[in-house]
Amino acid sequence: DTAVSQTPKYLVTQMGNDKSIKCEQNLGHDTMYWYKQDSKKFLKIMFSYNNKELIINETVPNRFSPKSPDKAHLNLHINSLELGDSAVYFCASSLGRRPNFNQPQHFGDGTRLSIL
Amino acid sequence: SQQGEEDPQALSIQEGENATMNCSYKTSINNLQWYRQNSGRGLVHLILIRSNEREKHSGRLRVTLDTSKKSSSLLITASRAADTASYFCATDARRDDKIIFGKGTRLHILP
Repeated sequence: DTAVSQTPKYLVTQMGNDKSIKCEQNLGHDTMYWYKQDSKKFLKIMFSYNNKELIINETVPNRFSPKSPDKAHLNLHINSLELGDSAVYFCASSLGRRPNFNQPQHFGDGTRLSIL
Repeated sequence: SQQGEEDPQALSIQEGENATMNCSYKTSINNLQWYRQNSGRGLVHLILIRSNEREKHSGRLRVTLDTSKKSSSLLITASRAADTASYFCATDARRDDKIIFGKGTRLHILP
């Protein structure tokens, strides 16, 4: 009965590879997010989708491409992985028609990406 | 420095004591939220406080917001070992709704 679930939990891969992280929420929320948390625990928003529509696209390399097949899923595809992409990636969701911070965000447990 | 910076960076207190963490931000905000993150887990929402509110309570948690000083504090009373975690504040800026998280305070409750 996990509310926001991400797979895989761990991802170890070589530089230059392409990988995807999947996220699903069963809370009925309209808005989903991707965050990146670096080794110093600094959390930065990357993308936000509302009902399959991209709303926020922070300064993120275009090697990162989110895909939302439906409002319960927001996947993150990363091309040509680089060493600096090593981090923990968190998916989150919230109520609301557009990304707004007047509702709590519900986070998954993260995907730990390590680039060799 | 980033919008939403917590202070102190790390805090160790004895079980049963109160823990206070502070957060400062730079631009006018709509809302401020506090989150807890246990090691290896995702963030868990604690309290949301709107810019027109000054104080909110939830169980052993008390959050204050001073918009004139652009700061917030999180007080955890009667701390327990299970409160050991990192605590983050996050804001959304009024001018562009941008969401920014602080760098967190690592709280360690000593037995």
